[in-house]
Amino acid sequence: EVQLLESGGDMVQPGGSLRLSCAASGFSFSSYAMSWVRQAPGKGLEWVSGISSGGSTDYADSVKGRFTVSRDNSKDTLYLQMNSLRVDDTGVYYCAKGRHDYSYSNTDYWGQGTPVTVSS
Amino acid sequence: DIQMTQSPSSLSASVGDRVTITCRASQGISNYLAWYQQKPGKVPKLLIFATSTLQSGVPSRFSGSGSGTDFTLTISSLQPEDVATYYCQKYYSAPSTFGPGTKVDIK
Repeated sequence: EVQLLESGGDMVQPGGSLRLSCAASGFSFSSYAMSWVRQAPGKGLEWVSGISSGGSTDYADSVKGRFTVSRDNSKDTLYLQMNSLRVDDTGVYYCAKGRHDYSYSNTDYWGQGTPVTVSS
Repeated sequence: DIQMTQSPSSLSASVGDRVTITCRASQGISNYLAWYQQKPGKVPKLLIFATSTLQSGVPSRFSGSGSGTDFTLTISSLQPEDVATYYCQKYYSAPSTFGPGTKVDIK
């Protein structure tokens, strides 16, 4: 059974940093792209970033230069380093498994999400 | 970047009705279009990929069609458990993009 467990969400002040993690199990993590998708309170889904199995990355324009996605295939873990956080980065951040091995792939399994609040 | 739009933004229909949701891309995306269902308070779930291929376990009353820039999600006979927000997503090129969503409820 595919399982994705996000962690690291917290409340942080504007300008601060957070590192999210996503522990994967139940599939060959090193063979698939992974994505981060977020959802602001009461709003729709926003694709944030993706990474292929080999480390090729892509980002939404809204986070480019501030967020960095990475993965450790030896630990079956996905990361999202978020710097220079803004109030509009607030939301639930989901980790999702790609159906294909390219960074902007659609996704077939999602974690339960981890909440991030950026507020002073 | 390619933008995605959906219409309507919300709809209300009766149980058993045929429901159609439209998704439009600002440029051609071939058939690289997926649909997701998000029930209230739940995690999004993949319904359809490659425009018309049902994900395993999805009821056959859901179907997808289209190509290029115009796509459709159809629920052939709306059921109470289909109350949800539906999102399209293009994955033709980076960045991937979701549509704004269509909220479906029961009249």
